[in-house]
Amino acid sequence: QKEVEQDPGPLSVPEGAIVSLNCTYSNSAFQYFMWYRQYSRKGPELLMYTYSSGNKEDGRFTAQVDKSSKYISLFIRDSQPSDSATYLCATTTQGGSEKLVFGKGTKLTVNP
Amino acid sequence: EPEVTQTPSHQVTQMGQEVILRCVPISNHLYFYWYRQILGQKVEFLVSFYNNEISEKSEIFDDQFSVERPDGSNFTLKIRSTKLEDSAMYFCASSADGMRYEQYFGPGTRLTVT
Repeated sequence: QKEVEQDPGPLSVPEGAIVSLNCTYSNSAFQYFMWYRQYSRKGPELLMYTYSSGNKEDGRFTAQVDKSSKYISLFIRDSQPSDSATYLCATTTQGGSEKLVFGKGTKLTVNP
Repeated sequence: EPEVTQTPSHQVTQMGQEVILRCVPISNHLYFYWYRQILGQKVEFLVSFYNNEISEKSEIFDDQFSVERPDGSNFTLKIRSTKLEDSAMYFCASSADGMRYEQYFGPGTRLTVT
């Protein structure tokens, strides 16, 4: 079973739509959950992270973690064409390993 | 805003040659990492480095790879004898003390092995 699974999309939405991006994971030891945005041929840019279960909001972005179902989500409100990118979920354990385990990424296009 | 920088942006090399990829992490960060991303695939962890030694490495990071912090600012990844399958984007990342999960990535070096 893959450690982190993410639907690669592509996902195409009109400007202003609410976008929902999701990942599932298999290892219950994962405690930190990150979302990165990656533009074509660029490095991943850290958007936000959450620890354990719960929600975290930052402007138009909301990250949500449900540890009981091993499900993580990123919601983008009022999506803009500049949000068009690949979104990567990543996770790691608390203490112990320092490596981030990434999903494959979901390619999002927001159409004007 | 401080950022991780990497050079070169693109490196072309012949199979069997040695390459050195360079990174300048964010200045007050203490943890350094290398990841790679083969075209169309996931970002994969290679190695982490703290206090001048490797703290963790993946099974990808075999004897042909090495890392070094030659001075107070640079962090390098050396591939001794490149193979075709080493062609990928290589990302350097760094994180601050006490916040190892909050890793900031550089723009990457695209390595092409011919």
